[in-house]
Amino acid sequence: AQSVAQPEDQVNVAEGNPLTVKCTYSVSGNPYLFWYVQYPNRGLQFLLKYITGDNLVKGSYGFEAEFNKSQTSFHLKKPSALVSDSALYFCAVRDIGRDDKIIFGKGTRLHILP
Amino acid sequence: DGGITQSPKYLFRKEGQNVTLSCEQNLNHDAMYWYRQDPGQGLRLIYYSQIVNDFQKGDIAEGYSVSREKKESFPLTVTSAQKNPTAFYLCASSGIKRYGDYGYTFGSGTRLTVV
Repeated sequence: AQSVAQPEDQVNVAEGNPLTVKCTYSVSGNPYLFWYVQYPNRGLQFLLKYITGDNLVKGSYGFEAEFNKSQTSFHLKKPSALVSDSALYFCAVRDIGRDDKIIFGKGTRLHILP
Repeated sequence: DGGITQSPKYLFRKEGQNVTLSCEQNLNHDAMYWYRQDPGQGLRLIYYSQIVNDFQKGDIAEGYSVSREKKESFPLTVTSAQKNPTAFYLCASSGIKRYGDYGYTFGSGTRLTVV
C-alpha cells in the first residue's frame, strides 16, 4: 500500500539554525512527492514538489527538499530558520494508479525559537 | 485570480441539524476533495469526485453527503448522523496530470462547531 510517514510530531529549531523536517514514503511505482505548509486556521499551501529530474528541489520561502530514492525519503530543509517558518508541515505522495489521490502524512509542527 | 473559495469560514450547528459547507473553484479542475482535520490527526479524506455527477467515499464518509452537479462546485453536507462533527473542513481541487498539474489547491477552510 502507498503511504507516507512523518516520524516527528514536533521539531524545535533556534532561529538562524538550519532545519530539517523528515519524510519517508512507500509507493509501488515512481513517486510524485509534495510538501505543503499550513498556518493556523488556514488551508494548506503548496511549497514544492518532486516529479522527476534533479534530486534537490527548491521551493517557496527558501525551502528545499532532497529526494533520496535508495532511502525512500524526501526531507524538507532550510539553511537558516525564521520565526515566521513556525507552522504545520505536511509531506504527501500522489498515488498514481489508485484513483490518483494524494496521500498526506500526519504533519509535523515546526517551532522556530527566537 | 483563480482559486478555491470555501464558505462560511465559521459555522455553528445545533444537535440534530444538517448543515452544508460550500466549495467553489474557478481553476477548471476536474477533481475535487473534502478533508476533515482534527488536532493531531492530520487530514482524513471524506469524499472525492473526479468528474461531474460522480463521487466516491473516502476513509470517513459516514454521516456526510456530497453532490457534484457542476464542475465548479462540490458542496458537503454534514448530517445529523455525524456524531462528532466539530472539526476544520478543507476542500481541495486538482487538475489533469498530463498537463503537469500534479498537486492539490486548497481552500481556506470552514471551522464547524456543534453548540
